[in-house]
Amino acid sequence: DAGVTQSPTHLIKTRGQQVTLRCSPKSGHDTVSWYQQALGQGPQFIFQYYEEEERQRGNFPDRFSGHQFPNYSSELNVNALLLGDSALYLCASSLQAGGAFFGQGTRLTVV
Amino acid sequence: KQEVTQIPAALSVPEGENLVLNCSFTDSAIYNLQWFRQDPGKGLTSLLLIQSSQREQTSGRLNASLDKSSGRSTLYIAASQPGDSATYLCAVEGEYGNKLVFGAGTILRVKS
Repeated sequence: DAGVTQSPTHLIKTRGQQVTLRCSPKSGHDTVSWYQQALGQGPQFIFQYYEEEERQRGNFPDRFSGHQFPNYSSELNVNALLLGDSALYLCASSLQAGGAFFGQGTRLTVV
Repeated sequence: KQEVTQIPAALSVPEGENLVLNCSFTDSAIYNLQWFRQDPGKGLTSLLLIQSSQREQTSGRLNASLDKSSGRSTLYIAASQPGDSATYLCAVEGEYGNKLVFGAGTILRVKS
């Protein structure tokens, strides 16, 4: 079992650009959540996908959008990047009551 | 709105010491609580999951307890080792399938 995998691991973008981050959930997991973690802080919830629908959303602007595919993998898209979007982006997958499993994260730097 | 607080923010101990990390949450109506470990610049590794109906969970040298009514959880690490050095995060899930709300973490350093 490969666990949760995220790509890419590191990314550098310029202000105003758009970025897409990808996540493959743990085998059999049908729910994918995305979190943003700024340096020195705990992860903050962005949104969650289940059955290809956004089920919940945190306090993030519409510049943050996502998608879940039939194989449960997911993408996080961020438009019009700001310097403040620089962070570690974490993907978590879960199934029923088994708790959340996280990937290694994507470090996004906006310059 | 659920808020999670972790105390202390940082801890430095000599190797071999037993230690306790604390987590408190404001809304006791939780579905479960999870403890995670995070190494610098890396993702989160799940350590222990406690369902709301449980009082504690154990894995090796780690023991986590949950007191829902008082909104508290503790992570006990026995016989600490330098390899335990990391940031430890506590997170609560408010309802089944809901988001995780995290504390800011406790940075642990175990000196050899």
